[in-house]
Amino acid sequence: QVQLQESGPGLVKPSETLSLTCTVSSGSIGDYYLSWLRQSPGKGLEWIAYIFHTGSTEYSPSFKSRVTISQDTSRKHFSLTLTSVTAADTAVYYCARHYTHIGAAFHDWGQGTVITVSS
Amino acid sequence: DIQMTQSPSSVSASVGDRVTISCRASQSFTTWLAWYQQKPGKAPKLLLYAASSLKSTVSSRFSGSGSGTDFRLTISSVVPDDSATYFCQQADTFPITFGQGTRLEIE
Repeated sequence: QVQLQESGPGLVKPSETLSLTCTVSSGSIGDYYLSWLRQSPGKGLEWIAYIFHTGSTEYSPSFKSRVTISQDTSRKHFSLTLTSVTAADTAVYYCARHYTHIGAAFHDWGQGTVITVSS
Repeated sequence: DIQMTQSPSSVSASVGDRVTISCRASQSFTTWLAWYQQKPGKAPKLLLYAASSLKSTVSSRFSGSGSGTDFRLTISSVVPDDSATYFCQQADTFPITFGQGTRLEIE
């Protein structure tokens, strides 16, 4: 069983860049997909992007112009950067593992990291 | 994007009741629908995928059905621990999208 743990700055100023890390703290993510999602009271659950073990990525059009997802070679650390943040980016950010592209179901989740955008 | 609409937005039930939550998609797809349970302060937990496949660690009191635009999550006999918010999620077409959630309260 894989364990995922998100980390981030907690508080980010408007217009700045948000950088998040998802660490595989236990087990292995294997040759599967790692997605980033977020949840806010206003917009609910939103899928942001995924990265496959090959390095291929897919982004939600809602975020594509502002987001980059990456992984290290060990696939123990996954990063998400979101540029030009606004208050609307205030949310709990999760990373999650899924086994397929089409038909993706998020079997394993991190506990989430709370991000507040405020000056 | 495929819009997912759940109903009802909240439901109250007594221990032992059968509860059904519906999820309607804005366009038709086959079976790539998942259901999640979320408790306050916790990450969502996968219950079912591919509309009706139960995750191995999940109680058989949970079941899923449907195809096309209409899907359902049924809890056959609710227990107090089922008090949570339930979400549907489609993965037929990117971007992946979620329903707005249904809050289940156990009386």
